[in-house]
Amino acid sequence: AQSVAQPEDQVNVAEGNPLTVKCTYSVSGNPYLFWYVQYPNRGLQFLLKYITGDNLVKGSYGFEAEFNKSQTSFHLKKPSALVSDSALYFCAVRDNTRGSYIPTFGRGTSLIVHP
Amino acid sequence: SAVISQKPSRDICQRGTSLTIQCQVDSQVTMMFWYRQQPGQSLTLIATANQGSEATYESGFVIDKFPISRPNLTFSTLTVSNMSPEDSSIYLCSVGGTGQSYEQYFGPGTRLTVT
Repeated sequence: AQSVAQPEDQVNVAEGNPLTVKCTYSVSGNPYLFWYVQYPNRGLQFLLKYITGDNLVKGSYGFEAEFNKSQTSFHLKKPSALVSDSALYFCAVRDNTRGSYIPTFGRGTSLIVHP
Repeated sequence: SAVISQKPSRDICQRGTSLTIQCQVDSQVTMMFWYRQQPGQSLTLIATANQGSEATYESGFVIDKFPISRPNLTFSTLTVSNMSPEDSSIYLCSVGGTGQSYEQYFGPGTRLTVT
């Protein structure tokens, strides 16, 4: 089975400060990991992914995430938050040995960046 | 990447009626996915639709309630039948996750309110 946890319903950060949105996962094999962002009244947009290779992955809009196999984590980070980063963020995991194309999504974390 | 459009973007429907949601992709894809996103919750996969075959439904979803059509490689419809207020959700169409495109791409969603 595969599962993903986003332990924080909401993260608040001041504009210009670094931000972290947490994600931990569980798979039976090796993971494919993803972050998506959902702006109000919009569908989900792909931000970044970890498939293999470097543990630090860079994505759209200045976001990055670090794959940590020992801690089974894939936290999303950005060095300097913008008010426009305020949105709902979803982590997703897929087991690459399962032979399935279907990821499991976390419950989402609402990021609020204060001016 | 893929560009996905959905119709309608939102609707308010009466209990007991049905609504058909359309999903159009700008390129040919083998698999299309339908998700439900209830208020404050994560994404739940309803079914996977392959062209030329019957859709595969996830546990808790049945064809009589959510019939799906997939007449060609760029189009699909999801019908929400005999609606009740519990069906009030955002319904999302998605493609991707197969082959070289590990990530998924989502339509803007259909916001359904059942009164």
